Amino acid sequence: NAGVTQTPKFQVLKTGQSMTLQCAQDMNHNSMYWYRQDPGMGLRLIYYSASEGTTDKGEVPNGYNVSRSTTEDFPLRLELAAPSQTSVYFCASRRDRGPFNEQFFGPGTRLTVL
Amino acid sequence: QKEVEQDPGPLSVPEGAIVSLNCTYSNSAFQYFMWYRQYSRKGPELLMYTYSSGNKEDGRFTAQVDKSSKYISLFIRDSQPSDSATYLCAMTTMDSNYQLIWGAGTKLIIKP
Repeated sequence: NAGVTQTPKFQVLKTGQSMTLQCAQDMNHNSMYWYRQDPGMGLRLIYYSASEGTTDKGEVPNGYNVSRSTTEDFPLRLELAAPSQTSVYFCASRRDRGPFNEQFFGPGTRLTVL
Repeated sequence: QKEVEQDPGPLSVPEGAIVSLNCTYSNSAFQYFMWYRQYSRKGPELLMYTYSSGNKEDGRFTAQVDKSSKYISLFIRDSQPSDSATYLCAMTTMDSNYQLIWGAGTKLIIKP
């Protein structure tokens, strides 16, 4: 199993440009998450999805959109990139069975918005 | 005030030392407490978790939860240079769809 994969690893955008960060998991997990990680801030939840076809806002959803058309994929869309969106973005999926539901993370996408 | 407070460090100790990493929290409803380890330029990975109060040991690592003080700790015995990483605490309630609330992470450096 590849686990959680993210593409691209690095990206530089200009203010106002748009892009999609890709996330895929091959563990048949229902729940998936998008976080951003900034220095001194820990991980902040952007959006999550409890199952295919459902999405919910997290702590910092402004400027982002998501969709969940398959169990495997959970892309994150930035429509009009702003310098405040410079961050490291992590996608995660959660095991839905068992006494504890561990989250598994991808390797991250480092995004710089100029 | 953040729901979960964690000193960002960095914390630098010599190889072989006992390391103590800590988090405090304000929400008494938290029931699951986790420690994730994050190596540089990698995603976090689960190191240990505990449910409610008490201690849990796994090799050189011990996790402690004191719910009366709203305080959790991770101890690392016989620390190794390979333990150098950022350690993030996270916690959740059973009725929150397992949404994790994260500390800021403590950067740990083990000097050979």
